[in-house]
Amino acid sequence: QVQLVQSGAEVKKPGASVKVSCKASEYNFISFYIHWVRQAPGQGLEWMGWINPYNGATNSAQRFQGRVTMTRDTSLSTASMELSRLTYDDSAVYYCVRGGATNPWRNWYFDLWGRGTLVTVSS
Amino acid sequence: EIVMTQSPATLSVSPGERATLSCRASQSVSSSLAWYQQKPGQAPRLLIYGASTRATGIPARFSGSGSGTEFTLTISSLQFEDFAVYYCQQYNNWPVYTFGQGTKLEIK
Repeated sequence: QVQLVQSGAEVKKPGASVKVSCKASEYNFISFYIHWVRQAPGQGLEWMGWINPYNGATNSAQRFQGRVTMTRDTSLSTASMELSRLTYDDSAVYYCVRGGATNPWRNWYFDLWGRGTLVTVSS
Repeated sequence: EIVMTQSPATLSVSPGERATLSCRASQSVSSSLAWYQQKPGQAPRLLIYGASTRATGIPARFSGSGSGTEFTLTISSLQFEDFAVYYCQQYNNWPVYTFGQGTKLEIK
């Protein structure tokens, strides 16, 4: 069925990097934006950024700029998000989410969510 | 950045009663407003988009209203499965998106 399948949980040390992957199934991967949203324990949802799988363009929230890298592999229908220089505050569940259309462009809501990847930063 | 403010933070309502959740934007987002429901241990689920359109499979007891800066999510007759956290989100301010901080709907 139409879904986003994310990679498994990760444990990282402070200062390290983590890479989370997200594989799209049963829809045309390049036709929709992929966003990344995170949720710290007991906290709300925080939008991190997006990638346009059609052309690889990215944009991130200001607070993550310089620290987040979003990529895609169209042959594998997979998007990835790498977050560097991890601190304890980066411990969270990271979701990949499908957003608006890429070509033709249409901006809209988030209609399909992955199940989330737990990233724990611990020494 | 557009700031989304939800109220109240926690809402206690009895099953069968009506629940009204509010979301305010710091500037106009037109009707580009979505509501999501999140249950413990689960990913959020899209409920409402375009401020008032129910997503596929969402029961008719869920309704959304508003435009500009003031929005409301109403659940007409609460079922036990409706007790969850609800988030609003604006998607008008391309290329940046923001969520509200959430309203926890709990059983009274």
